[in-house]
Amino acid sequence: NAGVTQTPKFQVLKTGQSMTLQCAQDMNHEYMSWYRQDPGMGLRLIHYSVGAGITDQGEVPNGYNVSRSTTEDFPLRLLSAAPSQTSVYFCASSYSGTERSSPLHFGNGTRLTVT
Amino acid sequence: SQQGEEDPQALSIQEGENATMNCSYKTSINNLQWYRQNSGRGLVHLILIRSNEREKHSGRLRVTLDTSKKSSSLLITASRAADTASYFCATDASGTYKYIFGTGTRLKVLA
Repeated sequence: NAGVTQTPKFQVLKTGQSMTLQCAQDMNHEYMSWYRQDPGMGLRLIHYSVGAGITDQGEVPNGYNVSRSTTEDFPLRLLSAAPSQTSVYFCASSYSGTERSSPLHFGNGTRLTVT
Repeated sequence: SQQGEEDPQALSIQEGENATMNCSYKTSINNLQWYRQNSGRGLVHLILIRSNEREKHSGRLRVTLDTSKKSSSLLITASRAADTASYFCATDASGTYKYIFGTGTRLKVLA
């Protein structure tokens, strides 16, 4: 049982480059989300999705795009990377549906450096 | 701004002692959850308490929730060196699917 899988584990980008962080889950979870974690800041919600075809903004959405074409996948796109996006990115999923009180399952993170 | 604030930011105790950390939040919630993060890893779910519950236990963990004060506490009893980690609370504001995390408490348990 793989759970939540994030790729790549590490990435270095130059300012202005674009890239997609991948997130896949095999638990048939409806809810998926992306967080960034910076030192001393805890986790901040970037975007989230309550099901295929539905996405919404979190606390810090600027500079990031998402889409949810399948239940399993929730990629995060950086269109033009900036040094301020240097961070560790976590993807998380949970079962929602009519039961909203369910724990989040996290991937192991992607460590992104923008130079 | 973040929904939750943990207190203290850092805590250092001896093995065998109890560790208590607190979380305050800003809006009404459906539930509050506590997570642990070991250095450089993803977060692991510890315990979930619903807004209509006041206390919950799981092994050496005890969580309380006071919705009138918008606060929660996590107690780890008989701590072990393996409990050394950062602990975060997370809440989902009522009417939303936004799970918002606090800034965390760094716990160090000395052997």
